[in-house]
Amino acid sequence: DGGITQSPKYLFRKEGQNVTLSCEQNLNHDAMYWYRQDPGQGLRLIYYSQIVNDFQKGDIAEGYSVSREKKESFPLTVTSAQKNPTAFYLCATDGGGTGPHEQYFGPGTRLTVT
Amino acid sequence: AQSVTQPDIHITVSEGASLELRCNYSYGATPYLFWYVQSPGQGLQLLLKYFSGDTLVQGIKGFEAEFKRSQSSFNLRKPSVHWSDAAEYFCAVAGVRALTFGSGTRLQVQP
Repeated sequence: DGGITQSPKYLFRKEGQNVTLSCEQNLNHDAMYWYRQDPGQGLRLIYYSQIVNDFQKGDIAEGYSVSREKKESFPLTVTSAQKNPTAFYLCATDGGGTGPHEQYFGPGTRLTVT
Repeated sequence: AQSVTQPDIHITVSEGASLELRCNYSYGATPYLFWYVQSPGQGLQLLLKYFSGDTLVQGIKGFEAEFKRSQSSFNLRKPSVHWSDAAEYFCAVAGVRALTFGSGTRLQVQP
């Protein structure tokens, strides 16, 4: 069953703690993305990776880190430096390479930091 | 830099009525445009896309969208709305790095 898995669906953390969100895909897609969604603001790009062992900052990368050691996996760490981490986080993939591609989205992880 | 504007934050229609959701984009080259739908607490699902060719594109669930270059618009339409269409709808344009999304339009359907 092909798709994108994000776990957990809900995550609660105390302020000052780092937390890692998981994103796994079996679509054999080269490109993977992390977006943050806040009410009324649409989706904003945090980080993206076009190929294994390479990733780039998006528009709101401060306070976040990623790794891309395997094609199937693109975990996102929300660090204590992120000033307002409570949000809905979405992982997406596409085939990569040149030309436009539609993105496929995972079910999301809702992170609440108190 | 590219941008997408969805002027309507919230729209309410009656079941069976027609629907049009507005989307305006700003992009220097030929735009590649998308409409996605999101149910509460879920990921996004692609409704349709425009890359080139016929400016009227058909999508899933009976939706269609028309690309109008002169108006920089890509409005989403449906002739008859069903209660299950209640969701949030996002228009997006493909950039060099990733998709740029509008802020979304929440659709409410009245019985």
